[in-house]
Amino acid sequence: DQQVKQNSPSLSVQEGRISILNCDYTNSMFDYFLWYKKYPAEGPTFLISISSIKDKNEDGRFTVFLNKSAKHLSLHIVPSQPGDSAVYFCAAGLDNYGQNFVFGPGTRLSVLP
Amino acid sequence: GAGVSQSPRYKVAKRGQDVALRCDPISGHVSLFWYQQALGQGPEFLTYFQNEAQLDKSGLPSDRFFAERPEGSVSTLKIQRTQQEDSAVYLCASSLGARRKTSYNEQFFGPGTRLTVL
Repeated sequence: DQQVKQNSPSLSVQEGRISILNCDYTNSMFDYFLWYKKYPAEGPTFLISISSIKDKNEDGRFTVFLNKSAKHLSLHIVPSQPGDSAVYFCAAGLDNYGQNFVFGPGTRLSVLP
Repeated sequence: GAGVSQSPRYKVAKRGQDVALRCDPISGHVSLFWYQQALGQGPEFLTYFQNEAQLDKSGLPSDRFFAERPEGSVSTLKIQRTQQEDSAVYLCASSLGARRKTSYNEQFFGPGTRLTVL
């Protein structure tokens, strides 16, 4: 039973347009959420986080939206750039320190020039 | 500065063989994590160290898996009598370790060791 789901295995977007990556979770106790980005042959790198006390967090071109009642979060990238092409993992945890972050299976984003 | 490094990057083992995977965390990072990533899946938590103390090993799939960090720096994940289902990428991550009230205690990941058990 997957606690964190990313139902789109892949997504293709034209350069300059908005990329929207979605993530759903089942455990209502999750309080802290992360997005990680992974290039081939490299480890994941932290992108952005959000606490459950917020519904939006923005960092440059990246914005994460959280809808706690729907147990849903999304990552918006605007404008999308070819260098954004990577696998994006959503992760959820009980707090911002917790070691037991649960990762989703990832969405492969391809930004086409 | 140097990031998290892992060795070997690739390991092929025959079923039943023992393997040892090494992780060199970022210098000064207190916390160290091991994850297992199966093909097409996200990383799954295996175990966690704070300095040399293994505080959580709830994710280790069986008693064939053993991790240590004897001096609070380098860590080794050992898998005894490997099975085909152990084939995966094993990721190590480290973090500063200090609890923060308002921001994420970022985990920095190494490139992983891809283990293939034949």
